[in-house]
Amino acid sequence: GENVEQHPSTLSVQEGDSAVIKCTYSDSASNYFPWYKQELGKGPQLIIDIRSNVGEKKDQRIAVTLNKTAKHFSLHITETQPEDSAVYFCAASNSGYSTLTFGKGTMLLVSP
Amino acid sequence: IAGITQAPTSQILAAGRRMTLRCTQDMRHNAMYWYRQDLGLGLRLIHYSNTAGTTGKGEVPDGYSVSRANTDDFPLTLASAVPSQTSVYFCASSAEQGDYGYTFGSGTRLTVV
Repeated sequence: GENVEQHPSTLSVQEGDSAVIKCTYSDSASNYFPWYKQELGKGPQLIIDIRSNVGEKKDQRIAVTLNKTAKHFSLHITETQPEDSAVYFCAASNSGYSTLTFGKGTMLLVSP
Repeated sequence: IAGITQAPTSQILAAGRRMTLRCTQDMRHNAMYWYRQDLGLGLRLIHYSNTAGTTGKGEVPDGYSVSRANTDDFPLTLASAVPSQTSVYFCASSAEQGDYGYTFGSGTRLTVV
């Protein structure tokens, strides 16, 4: 099955700085890579996703890049704000079960 | 408000007891999932259902069972709870099998003592 590694496990930045979270995956057949944001006491919420036929996707301050050859993808947040503080999860589609396999999560703390 | 409802929000359960976590969605999604979230381990798939009447095992199915009698409901049952099942449980749904636009519920925090 799919295996997803996520780094770093914690990330502290100053407000206005950029934050980058990286993930690698093992299943070369995976074709969908979403990112979820989880705030304290809530369920994960989809913030951006990318499919394997695209190398980069942007949505305002958030961008995701995908390198299929190296089997890694990254989340980039620019001009970070305190409300960006949360746990972020990457995931990859599991071609065997049509489900998602998640990384272990990154706790992002943005200090004012 | 359309979405997923999980109940209870939290529960303390004695080891050996039976417990059913409830999950109901009103979006008419065909696929539903149960994940458990543990610190440092992320979200791990327990069971899933691609459509009413079918279920499948995920990464960590032992000690859990599910049923999918209709489209809206996907209960998760712990037949005889053990302390290692202490976790936060999330139910999710998506429109179709292979559609990865998951909607998550707010979770059930379960403590087995």
